[in-house]
Amino acid sequence: KAGVTQTPRYLIKTRGQQVTLSCSPISGHRSVSWYQQTPGQGLQFLFEYFSETQRNKGNFPGRFSGRQFSNSRSEMNVSTLELGDSALYLCASSLGGALEKLFFGSGTQLSVL
Amino acid sequence: EDQVTQSPEALRLQEGESSSLNCSYTVSGLRGLFWYRQDPGKGPEFLFTLYSAGEEKEKERLKATLTKKESFLHITAPKPEDSATYLCAVQGSGAGSYQLTFGKGTKLSVIP
Repeated sequence: KAGVTQTPRYLIKTRGQQVTLSCSPISGHRSVSWYQQTPGQGLQFLFEYFSETQRNKGNFPGRFSGRQFSNSRSEMNVSTLELGDSALYLCASSLGGALEKLFFGSGTQLSVL
Repeated sequence: EDQVTQSPEALRLQEGESSSLNCSYTVSGLRGLFWYRQDPGKGPEFLFTLYSAGEEKEKERLKATLTKKESFLHITAPKPEDSATYLCAVQGSGAGSYQLTFGKGTKLSVIP
């Protein structure tokens, strides 16, 4: 069974640009969550989608947005990039019930210059 | 607001030297406490879910326990392959019931 796939693996952008990250969940999983990981703050929840609907959103500015498609694949978008957005962005999938264990991808390492 | 604090930040053990990692939490209505392991360059990998105080779970050299305020991950006779960052996370029963609040992790190094 294929795991969670995130593309691209690495990205370098400049301030003010926008970026789109992609996540393909494990087959059959309907929930996709996104987390930002930095050395200073650790893993922080961005948002979670289930069957194309956003169920939860973390405390991030509106520049961070996401969506989920009918095949459960998800994208996250960050507009007007800031230096502080440099981080590892992790996607996780699950069956979607509460307390389901999350299966994480290897992440997209975003560097904003 | 749910909060998770892990200690120590880093731990260096000799192979075979047992120890424990701590995870203290405050949450409105704990639904579950999770332990994950993260290797460099990879995403976290699920280890355990604990649901209520007094519960224990084991997997190979790892044993997780839970009280009303904290959880411990006991590592017995660790091997170098146990070197990783161990993350603790909680899920509460508040508005964000489908999200996890993570601690910053304990980086474990096991020296041969």
